[in-house]
Amino acid sequence: DTAVSQTPKYLVTQMGNDKSIKCEQNLGHDTMYWYKQDSKKFLKIMFSYNNKELIINETVPNRFSPKSPDKAHLNLHINSLELGDSAVYFCASRHTYGEQYFGPGTRLTVT
Amino acid sequence: TQLLEQSPQFLSIQEGENLTVYCNSSSVFSSLQWYRQEPGEGPVLLVTVVTGGEVKKLKRLTFQFGDARKDSSLHITAAQPGDTGLYLCAGVGGGFKTIFGAGTRLFVKA
Repeated sequence: DTAVSQTPKYLVTQMGNDKSIKCEQNLGHDTMYWYKQDSKKFLKIMFSYNNKELIINETVPNRFSPKSPDKAHLNLHINSLELGDSAVYFCASRHTYGEQYFGPGTRLTVT
Repeated sequence: TQLLEQSPQFLSIQEGENLTVYCNSSSVFSSLQWYRQEPGEGPVLLVTVVTGGEVKKLKRLTFQFGDARKDSSLHITAAQPGDTGLYLCAGVGGGFKTIFGAGTRLFVKA
């Protein structure tokens, strides 16, 4: 009964490729997030969707495109992957102003 | 830009010692949260403090929110090896955004 799940857990790919990470939450939350955690463990928000509407879009390269097909899913597509994109990407969800629940993370390695 | 500074960045102590982690900002937050993250997993919320001056206790962990709601501290009494992990403070401002500090890596030696 995983609350917030992400696939894949690990992703190794070459520079220039396009890849997607999927996130699903079964908590009935209305807000979902993508965070990037770098090698120094700094966790930075990338995007947020509330009721399928994009509400936070930080200064992220436009190679990153989130998509929320419904309130329970938030996917992240990355075009033309670069070495600097290597990081752990976390999905999270919550009710508006409620507790935030994180997924297990997707470790992306770009070679 | 809202920033949260955490200190220390790394802490290695012996079992049974006490420690305090600090989280400071020049910005006011509506609430402040503390998370703990273990290797290979996502952060897990420990506590949310909302009122200036608020103190919350969670077993051997004591969390305090500054009077001006700009800073917070986490105090662990009699640390145990099971407390080892990455501790993150996070400020919740207006809207849906949560700002995270850089984290404190705690290692408790048996």
